[in-house]
Amino acid sequence: NAGVMQNPRHLVRRRGQEARLRCSPMKGHSHVYWYRQLPEEGLKFMVYLQKENIIDESGMPKERFSAEFPKEGPSILRIQQVVRGDSAAYFCASSRGQRSPNQPQHFGDGTRLSIL
Amino acid sequence: QQQVKQSPQSLIVQKGGISIINCAYENTAFDYFPWYQQFPGKGPALLIAIRPDVSEKKEGRFTISFNKSAKQFSLHIMDSQPGDSATYFCAASMHTGAGSYQLTFGKGTKLSVIP
Repeated sequence: NAGVMQNPRHLVRRRGQEARLRCSPMKGHSHVYWYRQLPEEGLKFMVYLQKENIIDESGMPKERFSAEFPKEGPSILRIQQVVRGDSAAYFCASSRGQRSPNQPQHFGDGTRLSIL
Repeated sequence: QQQVKQSPQSLIVQKGGISIINCAYENTAFDYFPWYQQFPGKGPALLIAIRPDVSEKKEGRFTISFNKSAKQFSLHIMDSQPGDSATYFCAASMHTGAGSYQLTFGKGTKLSVIP
């Protein structure tokens, strides 16, 4: 399966711990987006990255959240000192490029983060 | 605030019937309108998409109707099947000043197709 791979699928953390979510884009895709989905809600944009660059982080909370997409390896969304309100499904999407809006974003199956 | 409003929140349709989901947007800078289908425990899967220079697009049983002047677009599922039971999200994208084509999603419609 050459789709977007996210791991872990489920992650449980206690308040104050760190959560690391990983995303490997589809083969041939170099653009990664992270979205957050709360229950009964649509997905909310968080951040858009290309290899080694954060392009748009306008949807990221200013504190505790960070993202990276290194030259080698998956994209990482990191949440430090997690709180109960961070409980959500986090989805990663990838696309081939950004030269037009028609480059579809393909989503992974998400990481369900639960904070105890 | 860039918003996409989606209705209804839930929809029950008989097998063989037509499912219709509506979305409305405010920002005329949106220039790409995809629909996603999501099954429980899965990520959204792109179903069909349209640009604002086209009023209708059809792919199999799925049709998008687009009304640029009213800033509305809708998804029609013809001959609905139980396997179509899922949550459907409309979305819109535009090029942002920060250099991305982030998607703005509606809140979703939970479709149940009953035999």
